[in-house]
Amino acid sequence: DAGVIQSPRHEVTEMGQEVTLRCKLISGHNSLFWYRQTMMRGLELLIYFNNNVPIDDSGMPEDRFSAKMPNASFSTLKIQPSEPRDSAVYFCASSLRGTGSGEQYFGPGTRLTVT
Amino acid sequence: AQSVTQPDIHITVSEGASLELRCNYSYGATPYLFWYVQSPGQGLQLLLKYFSGDTLVQGIKGFEAEFKRSQSSFNLRKPSVHWSDAAEYFCAVGTSGGGADGLTFGKGTHLIIQP
Repeated sequence: DAGVIQSPRHEVTEMGQEVTLRCKLISGHNSLFWYRQTMMRGLELLIYFNNNVPIDDSGMPEDRFSAKMPNASFSTLKIQPSEPRDSAVYFCASSLRGTGSGEQYFGPGTRLTVT
Repeated sequence: AQSVTQPDIHITVSEGASLELRCNYSYGATPYLFWYVQSPGQGLQLLLKYFSGDTLVQGIKGFEAEFKRSQSSFNLRKPSVHWSDAAEYFCAVGTSGGGADGLTFGKGTHLIIQP
């Protein structure tokens, strides 16, 4: 069974450009999480969804960041316009909520570099 | 709000020696606790989890962890490390079953294995 799929794996862009990161959940999972990892701040939860509905976006840094789940198996994280301080590794994770276990499974991450 | 402290940024252990990585959490109710491992350039892989019951939990790759409520700790152990254990280790706390509402991570401990 395929794990969480993220694309692209690496993204290099110039300041001011729009960046879209993509994530495909594990089949049957119903919760989706976006995390950001930096040396300074470690792993931070940005936003999460349950059954396609955003539950908590308090970790989203600012209005330049937006996330969507257009369907039950896919999510995007968009940064517009991007800034050098957005450079980080972005992970998405999925889980199956409501089964009593529901641990999160992480994708391989997208390494974003904004110059 | 919950928090996780991993007091050791780096730990160096000789191959074949025992290992203990420390984790302390802060949370007002019964925590859900996790240890993840991250190899360079990879996503996070779940090693083990604690929800309830036996406070000594076994995980993959020969790891175990013990939940001590009185000390607010969840330390990770392995009796004999292998060179392939060199990686970054993260402790995390969730506030509901399986981290279904997102996880709060510690800053990580970088494990170095000496030959």
